[in-house]
Amino acid sequence: GAGVSQSPSNKVTEKGKDVELRCDPISGHTALYWYRQRLGQGLEFLIYFQGNSAPDKSGLPSDRFSAERTGESVSTLTIQRTQQEDSAVYLCASSLDPGENEQYFGPGTRLTVT
Amino acid sequence: AQKITQTQPGMFVQEKEAVTLDCTYDTSDQSYGLFWYKQPSSGEMIFLIYQGSYDEQNATEGRYSLNFQKARKSANLVISASQLGDSAMYFCAMREAQTGANNLFFGTGTRLTVIP
Repeated sequence: GAGVSQSPSNKVTEKGKDVELRCDPISGHTALYWYRQRLGQGLEFLIYFQGNSAPDKSGLPSDRFSAERTGESVSTLTIQRTQQEDSAVYLCASSLDPGENEQYFGPGTRLTVT
Repeated sequence: AQKITQTQPGMFVQEKEAVTLDCTYDTSDQSYGLFWYKQPSSGEMIFLIYQGSYDEQNATEGRYSLNFQKARKSANLVISASQLGDSAMYFCAMREAQTGANNLFFGTGTRLTVIP
């Protein structure tokens, strides 16, 4: 079956512009996560969605970052007024439910802010 | 304080030999899960193995096993009979079940290179 997909795979933007990153989770997966991976680093948690519950936004680094998810479908991560420090790979993961051991990751979006 | 510590930035292993990648964790929760992921140069994160804090047996998945030492708060990954395709970044991660957070905390990773 189809895995987690993300688009675009690469995005180059100018400092100060807004960007939207998209994640399509595996069908039927109720839990969705966004992570950021800076060059040579591990993954940093950004935000978590579970069904129709209020999202856990505790990992968002600033108010320039926001994310939405409609039901159990697509999620969009938006970064406003991008800064060079936002350059990273943004990874999305989904799991069947929050208790499931395995999170399935998408291929990521590589964001470069010039 | 770091929740996950991986002290080996890089490791080398001869093909067909076994290698241990170190991971220590820090949590006050009684219920938690420990994970290992592999990230090849292509960038995808591949789930390898999971260990629950209450599991009495060390987890094993094929050539992967997790050496879980709860009192020492360590969860080392052992890869047996290394193959060239094992060359990748390896990340240890933890989920703290009791706090209700479902996100994973990741270490900084270990780059494994398998030498032919």
